[in-house]
Amino acid sequence: DVKVTQSSRYLVKRTGEKVFLECVQDMDHENMFWYRQDPGLGLRLIYFSYDVKMKEKGDIPEGYSVSREKKERFSLILESASTNQTSMYLCASSFIGGTQYFGPGTRLTVL
Amino acid sequence: QKEVEQNSGPLSVPEGAIASLNCTYSDRGSQSFFWYRQYSGKSPELIMSIYSNGDKEDGRFTAQLNKASQYVSLLIRDSQPSDSATYLCAVADQAGTALIFGKGTTLSVSS
Repeated sequence: DVKVTQSSRYLVKRTGEKVFLECVQDMDHENMFWYRQDPGLGLRLIYFSYDVKMKEKGDIPEGYSVSREKKERFSLILESASTNQTSMYLCASSFIGGTQYFGPGTRLTVL
Repeated sequence: QKEVEQNSGPLSVPEGAIASLNCTYSDRGSQSFFWYRQYSGKSPELIMSIYSNGDKEDGRFTAQLNKASQYVSLLIRDSQPSDSATYLCAVADQAGTALIFGKGTTLSVSS
């Protein structure tokens, strides 16, 4: 079975803090993705990566950066967290052209 | 802007009925289509993928694709209360890398 894990299920941070969300997959997938999900707005792609050290901006990259130093791990970084980044963050992975499998999600609250 | 449209619902059906969920997409070049189910507070899980025109059946679920009409649907036969969830339609971009998600249709099955 595909397993995608995320470092935290729930996270509370203060405005201005630097926040790291980590995602690990165990299926040797080339592609990894970060989404955020908000009521009424659906799933929106923040960044994705198709190889180690490679990244592409999604629809809403502003205020975020990513890092992929190893194939199995993809990190999302909020350089200076703001209240409008309070959201559910979902990581996914896939083979090239394949089905995306999601992690359990991290509910981030920024106070 | 590539779009995937779904009726937000809620769609309410009695137990044992057929639930019909619909999705339209704007990118005529899309080749891969997915239906995910998402329970409240959980991450999306794949139900069906479909790549060719016509029907694809898996147990109580049938996905239907009509590329000429840019239309994808999901039928759930013998609906059960456990099917109550939000159903997300997702369409792959032409490179087959990123998915564009609809905002989801909420299904409620009453016993």
